[in-house]
Amino acid sequence: QKEVEQNSGPLSVPEGAIASLNCTYSDRGSQSFFWYRQYSGKSPELIMFIYSNGDKEDGRFTAQLNKASQYVSLLIRDSQPSDSATYLCAGYTDKLIFGTGTRLQVFP
Amino acid sequence: SAVISQKPSRDICQRGTSLTIQCQVDSQVTMMFWYRQQPGQSLTLIATANQGSEATYESGFVIDKFPISRPNLTFSTLTVSNLSPEDSSIYLCSVEEATTGQEQYFGPGTRLTVT
Repeated sequence: QKEVEQNSGPLSVPEGAIASLNCTYSDRGSQSFFWYRQYSGKSPELIMFIYSNGDKEDGRFTAQLNKASQYVSLLIRDSQPSDSATYLCAGYTDKLIFGTGTRLQVFP
Repeated sequence: SAVISQKPSRDICQRGTSLTIQCQVDSQVTMMFWYRQQPGQSLTLIATANQGSEATYESGFVIDKFPISRPNLTFSTLTVSNLSPEDSSIYLCSVEEATTGQEQYFGPGTRLTVT
């Protein structure tokens, strides 16, 4: 059974702090990983993807992939209340497998 | 990324009836997918909608319950048949953009409530 696991949270961070969201996966054949943000009542929005080991930065977001440890993370710098949402991690082999999501709360 | 629309955005249906959901994309895409997101849960892939051939269903999902059409590269429908309250969920279509790789982008979703 291919699985992607996330802590459901909520993860509460103060405004301006770094939010660190983590994800582990079971299938070593997973080729690429995706982070989606989902606001309540809305559909998932792709915010980051990463294919290679290491870090990938895009604005306030950094995705990190460690294939040896089967670990993916998303760092959000200078967190804002508007970042409050559920963050879904997904891994791809022959299809996307989603984790259950981590709810992030950024408080002023 | 492609602009994806779904119709209807929400519906309330009676047990035993069917609902057909439409997904329209503003550009031609090879891969289209249908997902279900049950209340408080993550996304589960129902099937891959293949243009010109039968859809490919995931374990636990069958064509009789979830018939799918894909008449061209910009449009697909998902029908949820013989509705029961357990089918109350959000149904999402997504597309994979061939030019960028395996990234999938989601439509706004259809919220189905079965009474």
